[in-house]
Parts: sequence; structure tokens; C-alpha cells
Amino acid sequence: KAGVTQTPRYLIKTRGQQVTLSCSPISGHRSVSWYQQTPGQGLQFLFEYFSETQRNKGNFPGRFSGRQFSNSRSEMNVSTLELGDSALYLCASSLFPEETQYFGPGTRLLVL
Amino acid sequence: GENVEQHPSTLSVQEGDSAVIKCTYSDSASNYFPWYKQELGKGPQLIIDIRSNVGEKKDQRIAVTLNKTAKHFSLHITETQPEDSAVYFCAASIDSNSGYALNFGKGTSLLVTP
Repeated sequence: KAGVTQTPRYLIKTRGQQVTLSCSPISGHRSVSWYQQTPGQGLQFLFEYFSETQRNKGNFPGRFSGRQFSNSRSEMNVSTLELGDSALYLCASSLFPEETQYFGPGTRLLVL
Repeated sequence: GENVEQHPSTLSVQEGDSAVIKCTYSDSASNYFPWYKQELGKGPQLIIDIRSNVGEKKDQRIAVTLNKTAKHFSLHITETQPEDSAVYFCAASIDSNSGYALNFGKGTSLLVTP
């Protein structure tokens, strides 16, 4: 069974631009969560989606948004990029929200 | 909110020795505690997890113990091998009416020297 896939794997953007990251969960998984990983803050929770509904959101500004589609694939968007948004963005999927989460390889975003 | 503390931040052991990583959490409602291993350039990989109705779980060389009263849980790796070198993260679940999330510790960089 294929794992969680994330595209693109690497991205370079400049301040003020926006970016969209994509996540395809493991087949059959209906819950998708997003995390931001930085050396200073570690792994921080961004959003949780289940059945196309955002159930939970972490402590991030409104520039960070996301959505989930009917096939459980998810996207996250960051608008008006700042230097501090440079990070590894990780997507994790699970059968249901309270089940074991399996992570993808991440998208490494560099903001210049 | 939930706060997860993880110690030590770095750990160096010789091949064959045991390694222990400890985590504490603050929310008594947390009921699921996974451990992830992250190698350079990869996403976190689940290595073992434990739920609050269990005190200990073992999978070959890896074991996790949970003390709900003290709100701490630990990862034990026995007979360490160089391929165990990686960053290890503990996490505690937060499941509320507003949704579900994992709150992670800051990570432990484990180095196993031959």
C-alpha cells in the first residue's frame, strides 16, 4: 500500500508570494493533519481535516489555510509569505482522527 | 493547552547499550502516546505507540512505558545499533470537542557509535 505522498518536495518562494502544498493520504484514510517543523519550534500542529471538514486548527495566523476534498486529498495554502514561514511542512493521514497518524516525507519550503 | 517536555535533547550511546528517552505531558485527558523516528530528509516514522489503558508495550528491541499518575512516558531501546541513530519524537494526543491533534516534544537526537 502506498504511503502518504506530498507534492512538491521542495519549493523556493519570495516574501509576499503565496504557496499551495498538496497531500495525498494513504488509500482509505479519511483524516488528514498538517504540521509545520522548524529547528526552533519543532513540530507544530496546523490543521486537522476529516470528511472535508476542518475540525481543529493550531495557533497559526489566518494566512495559513487548508481544505480537504471528497477523495480525502488535502491542500494547504500560505498567503503573503514571510521569511519565518520557511519550514518543512508535513502531512499525516489516519483512518479516523483518533487513529495512528502516518506521515509523508514533507514539503521543504524556503522563503527568500 | 497540552505541553510535552522531552529529555534529553541529545543522547550518545555505544552500540549494544540501551537508550532511554523520557517525556512528560500536562493534560490529564491525553490518552494516546506515539513515538516517531525521523531520519535526515524523511518524514517521521511511527515506531511504537501506547494508549492510556496500557502501562507497557514492547516490540522487539523497543519498549514504551506509561505512568498516567505521574504523567510521564518513556521509550526504551535495547541493544542499540548504528541504524538507530536518528531524531526521536514523543507526542501526546489532544482530543476535544474542537478536534484532534498530536502535541510533540522537541525531539531527542540519538547517536549510536560503533
